[in-house]
Amino acid sequence: AQSVTQPDIHITVSEGASLELRCNYSYGATPYLFWYVQSPGQGLQLLLKYFSGDTLVQGIKGFEAEFKRSQSSFNLRKPSVHWSDAAEYFCAVVISNFGNEKLTFGTGTRLTIIP
Amino acid sequence: DTGVSQNPRHKITKRGQNVTFRCDPISEHNRLYWYRQTLGQGPEFLTYFQNEAQLEKSRLLSDRFSAERPKGSFSTLEIQRTEQGDSAMYLCASSFRTGREKLFFGSGTQLSVL
Repeated sequence: AQSVTQPDIHITVSEGASLELRCNYSYGATPYLFWYVQSPGQGLQLLLKYFSGDTLVQGIKGFEAEFKRSQSSFNLRKPSVHWSDAAEYFCAVVISNFGNEKLTFGTGTRLTIIP
Repeated sequence: DTGVSQNPRHKITKRGQNVTFRCDPISEHNRLYWYRQTLGQGPEFLTYFQNEAQLEKSRLLSDRFSAERPKGSFSTLEIQRTEQGDSAMYLCASSFRTGREKLFFGSGTQLSVL
């Protein structure tokens, strides 16, 4: 089945340390990939997206992600995390089914930041 | 741009009751989506509209669920004869034209079925 997998349920990082959240997709065609963030009591917010072109994409809040077709991955990175980055992060892929396109999410990675 | 608005924020109901949620998308957005999210899971697609037309409905959606988007503006999601398994956060999102664009999400309606 076409899907996206986030292998890490929960990650704890010290403030100021670097971060990498993993995402693997399973999709036959060129995927449209996204990272969304969900803070407590907030709606999901788009961090960045990849459609084509440069495989390293920059997003908001200092995040970036790299698309690697050979590894079917789209990992999210940040060089130095801030306490405000504590949230739930979702990788997602647009799946096209007979012209109907919908965003399908992974199960999420909860990020905890320690001082 | 006032964002996507969902009402109510919280709903507590007894099993067997009917509930209805409302979503007001960003005004110029043609597409409107409903998702359901349970604790520890990512949002699961339920259904979506292109203007007033409901184009796809998930197999997760039983016959007790119905959604409408009259006149292509706001949308309602109704659950009839609620069950405890319906307890979840119901999220609404909208986008300008296609499913490949950025989705703007509302804050959701948290449903608790007792």
